[in-house]
Amino acid sequence: AQKITQTQPGMFVQEKEAVTLDCTYDTSDQSYGLFWYKQPSSGEMIFLIYQGSYDEQNATEGRYSLNFQKARKSANLVISASQLGDSAMYFCAMRYTGTASKLTFGTGTRLQVTL
Amino acid sequence: DTAVSQTPKYLVTQMGNDKSIKCEQNLGHDTMYWYKQDSKKFLKIMFSYNNKELIINETVPNRFSPKSPDKAHLNLHINSLELGDSAVYFCASSQNLGVSPLHFGNGTRLTVT
Repeated sequence: AQKITQTQPGMFVQEKEAVTLDCTYDTSDQSYGLFWYKQPSSGEMIFLIYQGSYDEQNATEGRYSLNFQKARKSANLVISASQLGDSAMYFCAMRYTGTASKLTFGTGTRLQVTL
Repeated sequence: DTAVSQTPKYLVTQMGNDKSIKCEQNLGHDTMYWYKQDSKKFLKIMFSYNNKELIINETVPNRFSPKSPDKAHLNLHINSLELGDSAVYFCASSQNLGVSPLHFGNGTRLTVT
């Protein structure tokens, strides 16, 4: 069974600083994908970034990058140059390839960006 | 154009009533889902459909019945609503059953009184 662990219930970061949100996962599958989603206070779920288990390079999307360490089973999200609008809940998620593939979420990290 | 749209956004109803939430996606995706987000923000899958075929039914009470008339629509009907059904329900879609990302609707906040 898949399991996603986010150990930081809440994080604070100053504007313009970088922040790392931790995510570890547990799976016996070889082929899987890792995802990060942002949920602002308005409630919508916004897809941020994806990393495939066979991708050799870390994924990047603008100010977001995913620090993928396969042997350690970690997929940390790095947000550079934080902005006030980055304040939100962030969810790490995973799904494997297969007919019954489902996206399994971690418990989330609430990020607060301060002035 | 909204990619995944669900209606209504808010639903307030009394215990014992029956209600439906509708979902439509215009992304041309094959796979659609219903997720439930509880008061602690935990997201859990309820159902997934691929090309109108039920793929995942994650031990959800029989009072919840999804229906997919075509691959662009996945509705959720809930019978005999209970207090514990209060939550935010998200519809989502993905290109297929592989490791493609899910695209979510804006959620329906259901409050059962």
